[in-house]
Amino acid sequence: AQSVAQPEDQVNVAEGNPLTVKCTYSVSGNPYLFWYVQYPNRGLQFLLKYITGDNLVKGSYGFEAEFNKSQTSFHLKKPSALVSDSALYFCAVSTLKDNFNKFYFGSGTKLNVKP
Amino acid sequence: KAGVTQTPRYLIKTRGQQVTLSCSPISGHRSVSWYQQTPGQGLQFLFEYFSETQRNKGNFPGRFSGRQFSNSRSEMNVSTLELGDSALYLCASSLAPGQGGGYTFGSGTRLTVV
Repeated sequence: AQSVAQPEDQVNVAEGNPLTVKCTYSVSGNPYLFWYVQYPNRGLQFLLKYITGDNLVKGSYGFEAEFNKSQTSFHLKKPSALVSDSALYFCAVSTLKDNFNKFYFGSGTKLNVKP
Repeated sequence: KAGVTQTPRYLIKTRGQQVTLSCSPISGHRSVSWYQQTPGQGLQFLFEYFSETQRNKGNFPGRFSGRQFSNSRSEMNVSTLELGDSALYLCASSLAPGQGGGYTFGSGTRLTVV
């Protein structure tokens, strides 16, 4: 069965420190991997995606993610956290079934950046 | 260009009533998906429409239904509302399924059932 796991419900980090939000996946075939961010009472905003190519993907707001095929992981990272990065982060994987994308979302990780 | 537009933003309904939510995708996007988001269950996939046809369906009861119009706008309907239907309902559009592209989400409709 296809699945996405975000093992941490919450991540706390001090402003200026590096941050990592973890994501692992289990899918058959080649996955498309995504990170989204959600601010309170808003929809999800696209941060970055991995389709193919370079394992290190750079996205919006200084975020990046590294695709690790052997560990089936796609962790989100940022070298220096900002208080404004505090939000809910979702990892998602998409696979093709009958030529249609099917998305699977993780349960979300709440990132708290303290001043 | 305009983003994904969901209307209304907020809605309060009484148990037993029905409700219709609307989603207008980004111009040129032909695929529309619906999700239910609750604190306890996270993001739950409801259904996906492409070219006015339902292509994927999640594990929700038949009280939840949807449709897509020829201009790609989509509506979802929930009949006989229950308290547990209170949630943020998110619509997402993409160019077309199968292209590896991501979703663009609307801001959602916050439904409260009392």
